[in-house]
Amino acid sequence: QSALTQPASVSGSPGQSITISCTGTSSDVGNYNLVSWYQEYPGKAPRVIIYEVTKRPPGFSNRFSGSKSGNTASLTISGLQAEDEADYYCCTYAGNNTLVFGGGTKLTVL
Amino acid sequence: QVHLQESGPGLVKPSETLSLTCIISDFSISSNNYWAWIRQPPGKGLEWIGTVYHSGSTYYNPSLKSRLTISVDTSKNQFSLKVSSVTAADTAVYFCARQIHCSSETCSLNWFDSWGQGTLVSVSS
Repeated sequence: QSALTQPASVSGSPGQSITISCTGTSSDVGNYNLVSWYQEYPGKAPRVIIYEVTKRPPGFSNRFSGSKSGNTASLTISGLQAEDEADYYCCTYAGNNTLVFGGGTKLTVL
Repeated sequence: QVHLQESGPGLVKPSETLSLTCIISDFSISSNNYWAWIRQPPGKGLEWIGTVYHSGSTYYNPSLKSRLTISVDTSKNQFSLKVSSVTAADTAVYFCARQIHCSSETCSLNWFDSWGQGTLVSVSS
């Protein structure tokens, strides 16, 4: 069971859109629509921002969207804002009653 | 609004057993949800440790399974984590979380929708 692959860092300017990829295998990301994404600020607990690949928690900003193609899931943040600067993690069900996280991506808003 | 709070020693000696408890407030542990432990070594990413259901059914990260015990105490509305034979590599912030069991789509080990604040456990002599 290997960690999902995410870019270590991405950056963008306010108002732009960025996409964070999360690559797994046909046994995890590619096999289940159970990818979730978490936003983590320094010193704070993570919070879910996307679940079941594309769904947002009630009341959460629609600037955040999720998608999946094959073995790669993606998180897109549109209209980038300073407050979006954080670490982002993907997670998926990996079969056999196990879960796996991605290595995390640090988003910098320039 | 569920509230989760981790408690336990912040320092554990190598080769000993790390023990943490997650106290759940304003929500019943016996609901149709899972309860999970996740950890984060300093400066590193998140790692799923394991999940428990109120019935006592457990699901463990294969890489940690041989050293793990996760249990529930429904009378106290809390669940616990034990990691045996710890080393410096077990130094991390440990989070407990509520994990969705059944969504509108499926019943599985779904997403973590509420988290505790986390507690740092250091392994050092």
